Amino acid sequence: GAVVSQHPSRVICKSGTSVKIECRSLDFQATTMFWYRQFPKKSLMLMATSNEGSKATYEQGVEKDKFLINHASLTLSTLTVTSAHPEDSSFYICSAPIAGNSYEQYFGPGTRLTVT
Amino acid sequence: GIQVEQSPPDLILQEGANSTLRCNFSDSVNNLQWFHQNPWGQLINLFYIPSGTKQNGRLSATTVATERYSLLYISSSQTTDSGVYFCAVQEYGNKLVFGAGTILRVKS
Repeated sequence: GAVVSQHPSRVICKSGTSVKIECRSLDFQATTMFWYRQFPKKSLMLMATSNEGSKATYEQGVEKDKFLINHASLTLSTLTVTSAHPEDSSFYICSAPIAGNSYEQYFGPGTRLTVT
Repeated sequence: GIQVEQSPPDLILQEGANSTLRCNFSDSVNNLQWFHQNPWGQLINLFYIPSGTKQNGRLSATTVATERYSLLYISSSQTTDSGVYFCAVQEYGNKLVFGAGTILRVKS
């Protein structure tokens, strides 16, 4: 199957700082990537759709100024959590469908963010 | 938006037992996927199954799109099968909507 990586896998930061999370498709190109957030013992909630070459599309209730998304190339999307607060602590997961196959999605291993 | 319901929410099995997990969805879908989330959080693709039946080793899945449900069968369960099983369906624009998951614990 297709491989999606995320970096870092785990990060601890202080309140008020910004954190960047990278999502890469390693063996395929992805014109679209998706960012999810998962709280403990809960399901995945879609935050935004990252589009290569254009602005991201955010789900209702997600602050686009707090969660900055940049889809720099066909294999890289980044999520920056700006001015992080303890309530931003969560597990962030990205996914990507293979370009040309718009249905099956592959997920990264996730990034656990802890804001102190 | 589309609703996805999974049952049961929790399941405890003795090693070697069989189980069936169910996913109901409220509208027509283009895609349905089953995932296993391991203890480290990685989502592992089990099946891409918008319709029909597929088998992969001890796992198999059936989706009856006209009746809006899918079933995941686990046979001869092993302790390594423990984790959370998610069903997710594709709404418009490639967006996947996840069910709440089934937490499976297989005891040795």
